[in-house]
Amino acid sequence: EAGVTQFPSHSVIEKGQTVTLRCDPISGHDNLYWYRRVMGKEIKFLLHFVKESKQDESGMPNNRFLAERTGGTYSTLKVQPAELEDSGVYFCASSPMDFYNEQFFGPGTRLTVL
Amino acid sequence: AQSVTQLDSHVSVSEGTPVLLRCNYSSSYSPSLFWYVQHPNKGLQLLLKYTSAATLVKGINGFEAEFKKSETSFHLTKPSAHMSDAAEYFCVVSEIGRVIFGKGTRLHILP
Repeated sequence: EAGVTQFPSHSVIEKGQTVTLRCDPISGHDNLYWYRRVMGKEIKFLLHFVKESKQDESGMPNNRFLAERTGGTYSTLKVQPAELEDSGVYFCASSPMDFYNEQFFGPGTRLTVL
Repeated sequence: AQSVTQLDSHVSVSEGTPVLLRCNYSSSYSPSLFWYVQHPNKGLQLLLKYTSAATLVKGINGFEAEFKKSETSFHLTKPSAHMSDAAEYFCVVSEIGRVIFGKGTRLHILP
């Protein structure tokens, strides 16, 4: 069974540009989560999808971040325009059930904004 | 409010000696607690979880953790470290639909 995959693995962009990160969850997992780890800090929750609906997006830092999950399969996280403080590793996770159960994590996308 | 404190950012042990990674938490409810491990260039992998059943939880690769409510702790242990255990470890609290990560402890194994 394929695990959670994320694309790209690395992205280096200039401040002001747009970047789109993609996450493919494990097939059949209704729950999809995005997290971010800024260098030297803890991993922080960004948002949670149940199928195609946003269950909780309280962790999204500001309106430059837009997450979508059309059709309840893969998800994208767009940053527009990117700022220096957006640099970090963005993790995606999926699970068949809710927060009280194991989440399966992807390897992350390392975003560097110059 | 929830919080998770991993008391050590780095821990170094010799191969074959015991491992102790410390985690304290605060929670208003009855949380679920997890330990995840991240090896370089890999995703986070679940080591073990506590969800209000037995207080001593056994995980993969010989790791275990004990939930101590009176001490609000969930320390991770392993009797004998192996070189392959070198990685970063995260203590995680989950309650009422919210997940909080500790800052991580990087475990170094000395030959």
